Amino acid sequence: AQTVTQSQPEMSVQEAETVTLSCTYDTSENNYYLFWYKQPPSRQMILVIRQEAYKQQNATENRFSVNFQKAAKSFSLKISDSQLGDTAMYFCAFMKYNTDKLIFGTGTRLQVFP
Amino acid sequence: GAVVSQHPSRVICKSGTSVKIECRSLDFQATTMFWYRQFPKQSLMLMATSNEGSKATYEQGVEKDKFLINHASLTLSTLTVTSAHPEDSSFYICSAFTGGEDSPLHFGNGTRLTVT
Repeated sequence: AQTVTQSQPEMSVQEAETVTLSCTYDTSENNYYLFWYKQPPSRQMILVIRQEAYKQQNATENRFSVNFQKAAKSFSLKISDSQLGDTAMYFCAFMKYNTDKLIFGTGTRLQVFP
Repeated sequence: GAVVSQHPSRVICKSGTSVKIECRSLDFQATTMFWYRQFPKQSLMLMATSNEGSKATYEQGVEKDKFLINHASLTLSTLTVTSAHPEDSSFYICSAFTGGEDSPLHFGNGTRLTVT
């Protein structure tokens, strides 16, 4: 069975600074997807970034980038130039290839301070 | 873009009653939908996979007789919490797979269920 671990329950960062959220996972699969989702106080789940395991290049989306280390089964999220609107819960998630079932980590609550 | 609509957003019911939550795909057909449950300050836990025209697939530990799922059309899945108890109070979120390249899953806005 796959598991996703987020070891940081809470993080804080000052506006305009950079913060990195950690995520590790355990799987015996070779083909899979990894995601970071954001859940603001509205509770709406918002996709931040996704990474296909077969791609060596780290995914980037504007201020968001990942450090994907497949051998180490690590998938950290870096948020650059943090903004107040980045304050939210962040969930790392795993999806086995050819399935649509997401397995979520326990989440990291990020607070961005002015 | 694709939108998943969930209704109601909040519901309060008395213990012993049943409540139905709807999940609709608004501009795409969803042969598969997923129901998640989220306790306060916790992660999302997959409850079941809803399949159009067939029985839902429940995750281990989820009571299928308590959480009835019906996926009668390509745009609607319903979750009925039967004989609700206070411990069923939670945040329920549905999601649907579009098959598009931009995002594999779209989430509804969730339903906060409070059982008194």
